[in-house]
Amino acid sequence: DIVMTQSPLSPPVTPGEPASISCRSSQSLLNSDGHHYLDWYLQKPGQSPQLLIYWGSYRASGVPDRFSGSRSGTDFTLEISRVGPDDVGVYYCMQALQSPFTFGQGTKLEIK
Amino acid sequence: EVQLVESGGGLVQPGGSLKLSCAASGFSFSGSSIHWVRQASGKGLEWIGRNRNKAHNYATEYAASVKGRFTFSRDDSKNTAYLQMNSLKGEDTAVYYCTPIEYGKWASFDFWGRGTLVTVSS
Repeated sequence: DIVMTQSPLSPPVTPGEPASISCRSSQSLLNSDGHHYLDWYLQKPGQSPQLLIYWGSYRASGVPDRFSGSRSGTDFTLEISRVGPDDVGVYYCMQALQSPFTFGQGTKLEIK
Repeated sequence: EVQLVESGGGLVQPGGSLKLSCAASGFSFSGSSIHWVRQASGKGLEWIGRNRNKAHNYATEYAASVKGRFTFSRDDSKNTAYLQMNSLKGEDTAVYYCTPIEYGKWASFDFWGRGTLVTVSS
């Protein structure tokens, strides 16, 4: 199985400041269609998860452009250019390249 | 508007069975694979498997943690997916979500239900 590794906590962020969350996969997530099958989800307190980024860097419908995804090898990064109070929650990466799909442990984002 | 409503959760004794439903609307259910994800209280997300559509022979795949105990099925005429859970264990206690991927339209889990809580305890 592909192992996804995230740091459990990110340093508290001041509103308006940037934040980044990292995720590492144990192997390449490159599919034959040329896309890297890595998603980012945010689970706000008391809510279901919501898709933010798919294929490593494509924003899902309705997601503010403050959110962006990037990749270097098997390291993936979610960046928030200006953190707001509504961004608090747990961020999960997930690989969808092969079964079983696997999630990272989640990274909790807190606001100062 | 896409809607997903999971139901059927509740309290069940270890070794017991439970069948969850996922009622869907607002998208092409027959053109979608249905995935199931669960989350124990205070824990992370765990993908437990998927049920593909007719074009993919309704193929199913299961996570090792549930293989042999859980069974996915679907009724495309009712736009409903099912999760039959047998030989339940305490570690199966979780909120269970269904989430579809419409082939050729969505790349991943664009939509989620609110989930249904399963508690396995004596």
